[in-house]
Amino acid sequence: AQTVTQSQPEMSVQEAETVTLSCTYDTSESDYYLFWYKQPPSRQMILVIRQEAYKQQNATENRFSVNFQKAAKSFSLKISDSQLGDAAMYFCAYRSLQGPVIFGPGTSLSVIP
Amino acid sequence: GAVVSQHPSWVICKSGTSVKIECRSLDFQATTMFWYRQFPKQSLMLMATSNEGSKATYEQGVEKDKFLINHASLTLSTLTVTSAHPEDSSFYICSARREYYEQYFGPGTRLTVT
Repeated sequence: AQTVTQSQPEMSVQEAETVTLSCTYDTSESDYYLFWYKQPPSRQMILVIRQEAYKQQNATENRFSVNFQKAAKSFSLKISDSQLGDAAMYFCAYRSLQGPVIFGPGTSLSVIP
Repeated sequence: GAVVSQHPSWVICKSGTSVKIECRSLDFQATTMFWYRQFPKQSLMLMATSNEGSKATYEQGVEKDKFLINHASLTLSTLTVTSAHPEDSSFYICSARREYYEQYFGPGTRLTVT
């Protein structure tokens, strides 16, 4: 069974600074998707970034970028120029080609003004 | 973009009663729908997967007789919590996916059982 681990229950960052959230996963599949989702207090799940495992190039979306290390099964999220609106729960997630999204335990990110 | 709605957004029911939560894909046909449960300060846990016209597949530990899932059409899935008890109080999130496409999440339903 696939599992997703996030070793940082809580993180904090100064506004305008950079923070990296860690994630590792376990799978026997060779092709799959990885995601970072943001869950603000409204609890609506917001897709931040997606990575296809067959792509070597790391995904980037504006201030958000990932470091995807397939051999190490590592998938970290870097948030640059942190803003107050970035404060939320962040979930790393995995999906096989046909399966459901499986979530990690989450990291609560605080942004300090 | 693809929109998934849930109704109601918040429901309060008495212990022993049943409550139904609806999940709709508003602008696409969902071949597969998923139901998740999220307790406070915890992650989303997959409860079940359903394909239109087929019986739902439940995750280990989820009581299928208690959490009835009906994927009646390509745009509607319902979750019925039967004989609800206070421990069923939680946040329930549905998700819908077209074949080979992204999985989209609804806004969630907060269930409080008194």
